[in-house]
Formats: sequence, structure tokens, C-alpha cells
Amino acid sequence: EAGVAQSPRYKIIEKRQSVAFWCNPISGHATLYWYQQILGQGPKLLIQFQNNGVVDDSQLPKDRFSAERLKGVDSTLKIQPAKLEDSAVYLCASGASTSGRNTGELFFGEGSRLTVL
Amino acid sequence: AQSVTQPDIHITVSEGASLELRCNYSYGATPYLFWYVQSPGQGLQLLLKYFSGDTLVQGIKGFEAEFKRSQSSFNLRKPSVHWSDAAEYFCAVELNYGGSQGNLIFGKGTKLSVKP
Repeated sequence: EAGVAQSPRYKIIEKRQSVAFWCNPISGHATLYWYQQILGQGPKLLIQFQNNGVVDDSQLPKDRFSAERLKGVDSTLKIQPAKLEDSAVYLCASGASTSGRNTGELFFGEGSRLTVL
Repeated sequence: AQSVTQPDIHITVSEGASLELRCNYSYGATPYLFWYVQSPGQGLQLLLKYFSGDTLVQGIKGFEAEFKRSQSSFNLRKPSVHWSDAAEYFCAVELNYGGSQGNLIFGKGTKLSVKP
């Protein structure tokens, strides 16, 4: 079974530039998550999708971050314009529903490391 | 507010020694608890989970964890550590309200180093 795929693995940009990250979840997983992991901290949820609808984006800085999951499969996370504090690893995860309920049993991709100079 | 505390930032143990990583949580309802492991340059992998029932749960790679409601703790243990266990370990609690099932709040992690 193929895992969660993310690209690019690494990206270096100047502040105020834009960047986009792509994620392809495990086939059949309805739920997709984007987490931000700053060095020395645990992952923090940015946005949760259920199929192609947003379930929770309360912690997404909407003035600069956007995300979409067209057709309920792969997803793109965009940052525009980037700030220095956006330097982090962006982790995509997907999860299956069990008995109609989402669980915290998530499958993570390897992450996309962003450096903002 | 819900939170997870991992008091130890970095722990070093000798290969073959036992291991205990501490985790305390703050959550108003019955928690769903998890331990994930992250090797360098990799994503997170689920080690084990607690939803209900037996408070001692077994996971992959020989790990186990014990849920203690009175202490709001969910400590991870392994009787004999292998060099390949060197990684960062994250404890997490699941938010479970409305449609936000499956959302995890993570602790800051404990980095485990293993001495030969």
C-alpha cells in the first residue's frame, strides 16, 4: 500500500515570495490534514478536510495561507506572502474512518521542509 | 484548554536498558491518547493508542503505555531499548467535538538517544 506522498521535500524562498506544497493521501482515506511543525515543537494542525470539504481551519492564518482539496483526493497548501516565521516542516496526514468516525490514527507523509530567508 | 506536556526534552539511555517517556495531558472529557515516533527526516508513525478499556496498551516495536486517569498521564515504556529506537517521540490527545474528530494536539516531543 502506497503511503502519503508529499512534494517538494525541501524549499528555500525569500520572504514575501510564495510557495505551494502538494499532498496525495493514501487511497480511500476520506480525511486529510495539514500540520505545521516548527523546529523543537510538536506538529500543530493547520487544516482538516473531510473529502473535499473543510472541517476545521481555525488555526490556519488565512491572510497568507490557503489550502484546497479538489475532487476529495490530493491537496495543495499555499503560502503567500511567506514570512520568516513560516520556516517549518509542513506535514500532510490522512486517516480512514472507522464505523463512521474519524480517529487520530493518522498516516503521515515525510513532510516538506520550508526555509524562508 | 486542551494540552499535552512532555516534561523531558531529551533522554539518553544505554542499549538494553529500560525506557520510560512521560506524558501528561489536560482534557475535560475522556481522552483518546496516542504515541507517535518520528525518525530523522521522516514523517510520524503511530506506535500505539488508547481509546478505552484496558489501561495498559501494547504497540508496535515492543512499546507499551499505561493510562492513569488519576494522574492524567500516559507514559510510554519499553523493557529493553535497541539502537534503532533512537528517534523523537510525541504524545498526543485527540480533540473529539463536533466535526473535529481525528484532530490531534501534540506535545513538544522527547528526543531519545541510545548509547552503545
